[in-house]
Amino acid sequence: DAKTTQPPSMDCAEGRAANLPCNHSTISGNEYVYWYRQIHSQGPQYIIHGLKNNETNEMASLIITEDRKSSTLILPHATLRDTAVYYCIVRASIQGAQKLVFGQGTRLTINP
Amino acid sequence: DTEVTQTPKHLVMGMTNKKSLKCEQHMGHRAMYWYKQKAKKPPELMFVYSYEKLSINESVPSRFSPECPNSSLLNLHLHALQPEDSALYLCASSPLGDVWPDTQYFGPGTRLTVL
Repeated sequence: DAKTTQPPSMDCAEGRAANLPCNHSTISGNEYVYWYRQIHSQGPQYIIHGLKNNETNEMASLIITEDRKSSTLILPHATLRDTAVYYCIVRASIQGAQKLVFGQGTRLTINP
Repeated sequence: DTEVTQTPKHLVMGMTNKKSLKCEQHMGHRAMYWYKQKAKKPPELMFVYSYEKLSINESVPSRFSPECPNSSLLNLHLHALQPEDSALYLCASSPLGDVWPDTQYFGPGTRLTVL
């Protein structure tokens, strides 16, 4: 699976959009980009995933660049409850159960 | 039911004890996973069960013994652990089959302390 690079920490004001970048310059054509977050001492929570196109769900939007070498997770109206470590993970789209390889993630702090 | 449950939430054990962690899901998922997370580190995979058979073992020491009695239940049996095994143990499940791509959903974890 391709390696990802994320900033170690970010701050965002409550109510503003939080934009979390992820670099995955060695991504292969069949690899998906996944985002999870982990609120302190809880299990990781699935947020969103994408292959080529931009994706949106009730939690967030995922913007993937045309060359697929980077992506941005957008939390449109951040709240204090969005304070967490956000993990960007790249994994192959092959059949069967696979491991998720977590990097160090970005620690996002939402400030009041 | 759309969640993965884990019991107990917290566990303290001595190095000579035998204990078990339990994970359950009723989403019809056919893959289940154990991850270990040390303090201030990301989760790391330990084991994967696919269709109740062990498919991945990430060279985990034998003092950790997984068991998958049925498609809804996953256990992790612990014996003769060391203090450095203290960590958050996370269970996850994923659908497999026709669902594509296969997305993992995590439980809240068991916080284990080995004295």
